[in-house]
Amino acid sequence: DAGVIQSPRHEVTEMGQEVTLRCKPISGHNSLFWYRQTMMRGLELLIYFNNNVPIDDSGMPEDRFSAKMPNASFSTLKIQPSEPRDSAVYFCASSRLQTNEKLFFGSGTQLSVL
Amino acid sequence: GNSVTQMEGPVTLSEEAFLTINCTYTATGYPSLFWYVQYPGEGLQLLLKATKADDKGSNKGFEATYRKETTSFHLEKGSVQVSDSAVYFCALRSQGAQKLVFGQGTRLTINP
Repeated sequence: DAGVIQSPRHEVTEMGQEVTLRCKPISGHNSLFWYRQTMMRGLELLIYFNNNVPIDDSGMPEDRFSAKMPNASFSTLKIQPSEPRDSAVYFCASSRLQTNEKLFFGSGTQLSVL
Repeated sequence: GNSVTQMEGPVTLSEEAFLTINCTYTATGYPSLFWYVQYPGEGLQLLLKATKADDKGSNKGFEATYRKETTSFHLEKGSVQVSDSAVYFCALRSQGAQKLVFGQGTRLTINP
């Protein structure tokens, strides 16, 4: 089975540009999580969805960030406008909707905002 | 709020050395505890877990025991290998919750 698929693997953009990160969860998983990883703050949960519905977006840093999950097999994280401090690795993870189910992570998107 | 504190890295050991990576947590009730590992260029993957006090999680020679009295979940391995070089994350999930709270991660390098 394919794992969690993220695209692109690397993104380099200029400050002010819109950035869209994409994620395809594992088939049959109904919970999806977006994490951001930086040296300074480690792994931070940005938002998560159950059955395509956003449950907790308290980790989204500011209005420049938005996330959608239009169907069970696709989610996007958008940053508009992007800033240099958004540079990080963004991970998508999925699981089945049970509290102790393990998370399956994608390989991440390395974002660099110049 | 809930939090996880890991020993700071990086940690560098020789092959066959004994490994301990310390992890302590702050949480109400009885959280579940996890160790995840991140190999270079990859996402995190579950290494082991424990869901109640005194449980021992184990996998690939790694072990960790859920110690409620010391709020700890230290990761140990008796004899490390070069292939164990990775970043290790301790994490907790509160009872009934979905969110995982991660520690800062500890980078481990094993030299031959």
